Amino acid sequence: EADIYQTPRYLVIGTGKKITLECSQTMGHDKMYWYQQDPGMELHLIHYSYGVNSTEKGDLSSESTVSRIRTEHFPLTLESARPSHTSQYLCASSFAGTGGLGEPYEQYFGPGTRLTVT
Amino acid sequence: KNQVEQSPQSLIILEGKNCTLQCNYTVSPFSNLRWYKQDTGRGPVSLTIMTFSENTKSNGRYTATLDADTKQSSLHITASQLSDSASYICVVSDRGSTLGRLYFGRGTQLTVWP
Repeated sequence: EADIYQTPRYLVIGTGKKITLECSQTMGHDKMYWYQQDPGMELHLIHYSYGVNSTEKGDLSSESTVSRIRTEHFPLTLESARPSHTSQYLCASSFAGTGGLGEPYEQYFGPGTRLTVT
Repeated sequence: KNQVEQSPQSLIILEGKNCTLQCNYTVSPFSNLRWYKQDTGRGPVSLTIMTFSENTKSNGRYTATLDADTKQSSLHITASQLSDSASYICVVSDRGSTLGRLYFGRGTQLTVWP
């Protein structure tokens, strides 16, 4: 099992609250990602990072923000939670570049945070 | 538009039986195709990864096939076990993307009954 951790695993919070979802990996991976997944739907990339001090927005527009101050840590923050933010948030990481076959390195996923905003 | 379509959406089988899940994609240019298993409330875990030149790959009771010409893949599960109950997600990566952009299907929800 990959060494990538997310906390909390479950969070129920009221509208308007500020929340931070934590993600840490101990594999020394350069790249880290945040995905959003609704039940029965595909994963959507919302943020990614190539390394320290690098952050980019993904395919799906999100009101969340991320930071990458340390290689192993990639937290996601919602300044003011709304019911529309209710979803599962998955963090992933991988090495940068490509492997021996010239293919992108494998992405390893954390267990996810199930967020419910009431 | 790059898309990944999976069928069936859900499947129920009895323990010990075999099953096959399907994946069609339009991602281009194609780099590789992966099958992930996602248990309820957990993150996806990789089962197999196939590049353009590979047409079959096995991982224990899981065997994936790839037809890059027709842009189709299948995942065959042999002698199913209760622990196989999960969502199986087909993921396709496009070539040339430094991000290694992944396109996800919605998954097939497999339930194995005793």
